[in-house]
Amino acid sequence: AQSVAQPEDQVNVAEGNPLTVKCTYSVSGNPYLFWYVQYPNRGLQFLLKYITGDNLVKGSYGFEAEFNKSQTSFHLKKPSALVSDSALYFCAVRDGQDSNYQLIWGAGTKLIIKP
Amino acid sequence: DTGVSQDPRHKITKRGQNVTFRCDPISEHNRLYWYRQTLGQGPEFLTYFQNEAQLEKSRLLSDRFSAERPKGSFSTLEIQRTEQGDSAMYLCASSKPGTVYNEQFFGPGTRLTVL
Repeated sequence: AQSVAQPEDQVNVAEGNPLTVKCTYSVSGNPYLFWYVQYPNRGLQFLLKYITGDNLVKGSYGFEAEFNKSQTSFHLKKPSALVSDSALYFCAVRDGQDSNYQLIWGAGTKLIIKP
Repeated sequence: DTGVSQDPRHKITKRGQNVTFRCDPISEHNRLYWYRQTLGQGPEFLTYFQNEAQLEKSRLLSDRFSAERPKGSFSTLEIQRTEQGDSAMYLCASSKPGTVYNEQFFGPGTRLTVL
């Protein structure tokens, strides 16, 4: 069965420091992986995705994510955190072998950037 | 604003009443998704439309839930005989035609409270 795990409920980082938000997945076929961000009182916003190709994917707002097939991980990273990055981050996966269009979502990680 | 819109943003109802939510996707998007999100969880897939056809429906979607997209544009989600367990944020998303891994664009959600 498909699943996504975000092992940290909350991540605290000082402004200017690098940040990492972790995501691991389990699918039968090739994974299509996504990161979304949710700000308070706003809808989910797409950050980046991995479909195929280069394992390092760059996205919006200076975020990037690294696909690691052997570790079945897709961690979200940013070299220098901003206070405005504070939000809820969701990892999602779709199994490329499936014929359906469902995304399976992690429970989310709250990122807090302290000045 | 040319994003996904949802109406109403908030709905408070009494147990046993029926409620209907509306979603207007981005105009050129032919795919439309409904999700439910509870506090501390990621979105749970409910149903998916491609144009006016409802192609997928989650087992979470009991017979009290029905969704329509009659003309392939806006969609409605109706919950009959609401229960307190239906209290959640209901999210709508749309994506453009083409590959199955096109990112989804989310509306702000409708927050339902069942008293």
